[in-house]
Amino acid sequence: QVQLVQSGAEVKKPGASVRVSCEASGFTLIGYSIHWVRQAPGQGLEWMGWINVAKDSTKYSQTFQGRVTFTRDTSANTAYMELTSLRSEDTAIYYCARRSFEDFYFDFWGQGTLVAVSS
Amino acid sequence: QLAVTQSPSASASLGASVTLTCTLSSGHSSYGIAWHQHQPEKGPRFLMKVNSDGSHKKGDGIPDRFSGSRSGAECYLTISSLQSEDEADYYCQTWGTAIQVFGGGTKLTVL
Repeated sequence: QVQLVQSGAEVKKPGASVRVSCEASGFTLIGYSIHWVRQAPGQGLEWMGWINVAKDSTKYSQTFQGRVTFTRDTSANTAYMELTSLRSEDTAIYYCARRSFEDFYFDFWGQGTLVAVSS
Repeated sequence: QLAVTQSPSASASLGASVTLTCTLSSGHSSYGIAWHQHQPEKGPRFLMKVNSDGSHKKGDGIPDRFSGSRSGAECYLTISSLQSEDEADYYCQTWGTAIQVFGGGTKLTVL
């Protein structure tokens, strides 16, 4: 069955970087776009952007432009999100999500990765 | 500016029905939307997509108790025969040119 399995929780110091992975199973990543969404404590879902896996093209939300990079490894069927210059406000659960093949909604989500930023 | 608005909370009794609302911003009433359920300690779960004509397509394994409809800019998610596991946050998603937008979510309490 379709699954997106994300890497484990991370604890980082302010100014550091973090990379979260999102491994696809049950389907081939190359046929889809993968989006990244985060949820800060007590807040709603915040869209970060996406990567078109086949074209290796990316689009970033203006909120994160310059600090976030999406990549993928098609041989590993895995997408990655790297966020740099971390600050305490980046403490959140980060989710990857698959964009549906037929339209722009997300049809499957990862289980989430907690990134905690603390000195 | 593309946006969706949701009430922050809703509640209903076990076994009853509840309808959650998501309102598209002015000028965007024909946009498609999707509903997602977010239970604590889990990743969100896609429930259904609702098209501009009110037709909808559900995600894999979503029970018939969940249904979607709309009237113009107002989009609805109705959950019937409420069960304890339906207690969750429900998010509305819409999309535009190179952008994805979420509503603030509705926290559903099952009494």
